[in-house]
Amino acid sequence: EDQVTQSPEALRLQEGESSSLNCSYTVSGLRGLFWYRQDPGKGPEFLFTLYSAGEEKEKERLKATLTKKESFLHITAPKPEDSATYLCAVQAGGGGNKLTFGTGTQLKVEL
Amino acid sequence: EAGVAQSPRYKIIEKRQSVAFWCNPISGHATLYWYQQILGQGPKLLIQFQNNGVVDDSQLPKDRFSAERLKGVDSTLKIQPAKLEDSAVYLCASSTENYGYTFGSGTRLTVV
Repeated sequence: EDQVTQSPEALRLQEGESSSLNCSYTVSGLRGLFWYRQDPGKGPEFLFTLYSAGEEKEKERLKATLTKKESFLHITAPKPEDSATYLCAVQAGGGGNKLTFGTGTQLKVEL
Repeated sequence: EAGVAQSPRYKIIEKRQSVAFWCNPISGHATLYWYQQILGQGPKLLIQFQNNGVVDDSQLPKDRFSAERLKGVDSTLKIQPAKLEDSAVYLCASSTENYGYTFGSGTRLTVV
């Protein structure tokens, strides 16, 4: 069974204080690893898809990396507007587009 | 491009009552999903449609949950009868074969 574990559960940062969120996974044949951002009362918003170990993608202050066992979401010099829950999900090969999600990391960036 | 539309946004019902949620996916997206997100957890797939057909409903509690997708476009998810543990946000999403998911804003269900 596919499993995704995210850590920490919650993270409080000062504005400008860089950090990383972790996503560990076990999956039978990784087809893709996804990062989403979720604001209160809204659905998940797509950030990145990573397909193979060694791949990296960047968007503004966010950078996602992938190894064979985990993914990191690096946040550089965060701002209060980066406060949200960040969800990691895996998609297994073998048919279907099902995403298996972790429980998320709740990030709060303070002034 | 219009996003995934869901209604209602909020619903409060008593246990043992029935409830239905509606979803209109992005135009042209053949695949539609219903996910359940319990407070403090990640979304969990309930059912996946490819056009009109069901691809995966292995985690749908079929004794009380049902879903349909008429004409390969809109979809409804029904719960009858509801239990307290069904309190959650119900997210609809759609996708094409070569593009990631787009989620709607969800319906927050509270069962009292």
